[in-house]
Amino acid sequence: QSVLTQPPSASGTPGLRVTISCSGSNSNIGTNYVYWFQQLPGTAPKLLIYRIDQRPSGVPDRFSGSKSGTSASLAISGLRSEDEAEYYCAAWDDSLSGLVFGTGTKVTVL
Amino acid sequence: QVRLVQSGSELKKPGASVKVSCKAFGYRFTTSGVNWVRQAPGQGLEWMGWINTDTGNPTYAQGFTGRIVFSLDTSVSTAYLQINSLKAEDTAIYYCARDVVGLYSSSGWFDSWGQGTLVTVSS
Repeated sequence: QSVLTQPPSASGTPGLRVTISCSGSNSNIGTNYVYWFQQLPGTAPKLLIYRIDQRPSGVPDRFSGSKSGTSASLAISGLRSEDEAEYYCAAWDDSLSGLVFGTGTKVTVL
Repeated sequence: QVRLVQSGSELKKPGASVKVSCKAFGYRFTTSGVNWVRQAPGQGLEWMGWINTDTGNPTYAQGFTGRIVFSLDTSVSTAYLQINSLKAEDTAIYYCARDVVGLYSSSGWFDSWGQGTLVTVSS
């Protein structure tokens, strides 16, 4: 039972923008960095965004992260078919003294 | 480049033990913590804990204490996950991941992941 809540699914047509939310609390997102991972079908997760809004080298600038209070968001602009994947947020939780992942959002490109 | 390579799939009977390895390449092994993440079939990611590769000190997540053991062999840059007294509900893919932040704590900044090891527990 994850403490970070994401919508189960999101979809969009190629070229459009999709936003995924990640809702937490003061003990996790409210006070700590947020990370986003992309998991393509049958593969290991891949770091997409670190420290709320930073992109590792090689990640297209179509992906962007933000945070407001106890919620975070991942936006994918210029949606492409290869963006079809499961997306997870993550943050350290001070109350649990552990890392917590979001429930995951499956993105479908229509 | 940084790479983590895990051992192959395992099929075990209930009550048995399994040891999954995670070998690091491309960086100095003792400068970054190794985390373990579980993914049950069709489910999301669960953080199991991490091990300080310099001191060998393990930290287990709530809900993962008792039957799991993290260990190291720094001479071959390898971390291990052992699960004892296996149950059917341990069937999952287990991933190791390197934390960029270093050795002070786990942070979630997992820049490199192993390919995953499927552990199947069935009689």
